[in-house]
Amino acid sequence: QVQLKESGPGLVQPSQTLSLTCTVSGFSLTSYSVHWVRQHSGKSLEWMGRMWSDGDTSYNSAFTSRLSISRDTSKSQVFLKMNSLQTEDTGTYYCATTLFDYWGQGVMVTVSS
Amino acid sequence: DIVMTQAPLSVSVTPGESASISCRSSKSLLHSNGITYVYWYLQKPGKSPQLLIYRMSNLASGVPDRFSGSGSETDFTLKISRVEAEDVGIYYCGQLLENPYTFGAGTKLELK
Repeated sequence: QVQLKESGPGLVQPSQTLSLTCTVSGFSLTSYSVHWVRQHSGKSLEWMGRMWSDGDTSYNSAFTSRLSISRDTSKSQVFLKMNSLQTEDTGTYYCATTLFDYWGQGVMVTVSS
Repeated sequence: DIVMTQAPLSVSVTPGESASISCRSSKSLLHSNGITYVYWYLQKPGKSPQLLIYRMSNLASGVPDRFSGSGSETDFTLKISRVEAEDVGIYYCGQLLENPYTFGAGTKLELK
């Protein structure tokens, strides 16, 4: 069955870089795209970017200058890197499939010194 | 960016009764291919969101047929018939028509 699992550090210092990994199973990254979505505590969902099945990427312009999404198809992993983190970047980060039909459990990230 | 506006922000429903949630988009979500790119999600307490309805009116796999979606190009409705305890959570509408994909603020459904 389709599964996604996010992993990464729970605590990041301000101005540092966040690196998250989404490991998928049950489907191929060359057939389906994967999104990254952020959710501030108690708030709505914010789309960050997308890794398309052909390897292309799309980004929300709100993050473009500091966000990078990449993948390793051999490991079934999609990566998120975001630099210049601030306290406002604290939240839960999810990866999800093409129609946001399957989601990971999310990883809580706190930006604090 | 396309703004998705939901109403109400919260709704309290007696089990067995029905509930409706509205969502309005700032731009038509009807593509030239005839598909309306509005989606509905439910986030149960402490869980990840789950897809309920795709392309305005199509029931996602495994979702009870108590859920239904309808609408026009900019006004959409999620209806829940015979609300059950497992339906408690926050409902979001979202648009996947264009970048950036955007979501409504959410509607919290509680039981009376």
